[in-house]
Amino acid sequence: GAVVSQHPSRVICKSGTSVKIECRSLDFQATTMFWYRQFPKQSLMLMATSNEGSKATYEQGVEKDKFLINHASLTLSTLTVTSAHPEDSSFYICSARSRGIGAFFGQGTRLTVV
Amino acid sequence: QQQVKQSPQSLIVQKGGISIINCAYENTAFDYFPWYQQFPGKGPALLIAIRPDVSEKKEGRFTISFNKSAKQFSLHIMDSQPGDSATYFCAASYNAGGTSYGKLTFGQGTILTVHP
Repeated sequence: GAVVSQHPSRVICKSGTSVKIECRSLDFQATTMFWYRQFPKQSLMLMATSNEGSKATYEQGVEKDKFLINHASLTLSTLTVTSAHPEDSSFYICSARSRGIGAFFGQGTRLTVV
Repeated sequence: QQQVKQSPQSLIVQKGGISIINCAYENTAFDYFPWYQQFPGKGPALLIAIRPDVSEKKEGRFTISFNKSAKQFSLHIMDSQPGDSATYFCAASYNAGGTSYGKLTFGQGTILTVHP
């Protein structure tokens, strides 16, 4: 299957700081990338959809100014959690998809805000 | 309309047994139904997927059965092994075009435990 690399896998940051998470499709060009958030023992909650070169589309209830998404190329999307607070602590997962292939997920990023 | 309902929430199976997880959907526009396997602390991994023009798809020990009229699909894991113990998610998506292409709607997940 296609490979999606997400970095970092774990990050601890202080409250009030910003954290950037990268998502790369290694062996295919992703027309669309998705960002999810997952709480313990729960399903994945879609936060936003990003297409290369255009603004991300955020799901209802997701603060676009807090969760900045940039999809600079067909192989790279970034999620920046700005002014992080303890309630932003969660497991963040990206997914990349291209026409003709399924959606493949990164390995996830465990964010802990202290 | 956008929901995918998954059951059971948890499942315990003996080694060598068959694990069955079911999903139901409402939106008839869905045209792609994947199953994902997720281990703790990892991202979901695509297991197998089916489109509605096929009633069954088998890959190794994993089989998807699809019932279009009932709007249901299920995952069967034959000869279940302790290494299959994980959380399984069904999902569905449709080609809405534009920025929504490939947007997945996930089921609630099933925690599978296979006892040795």
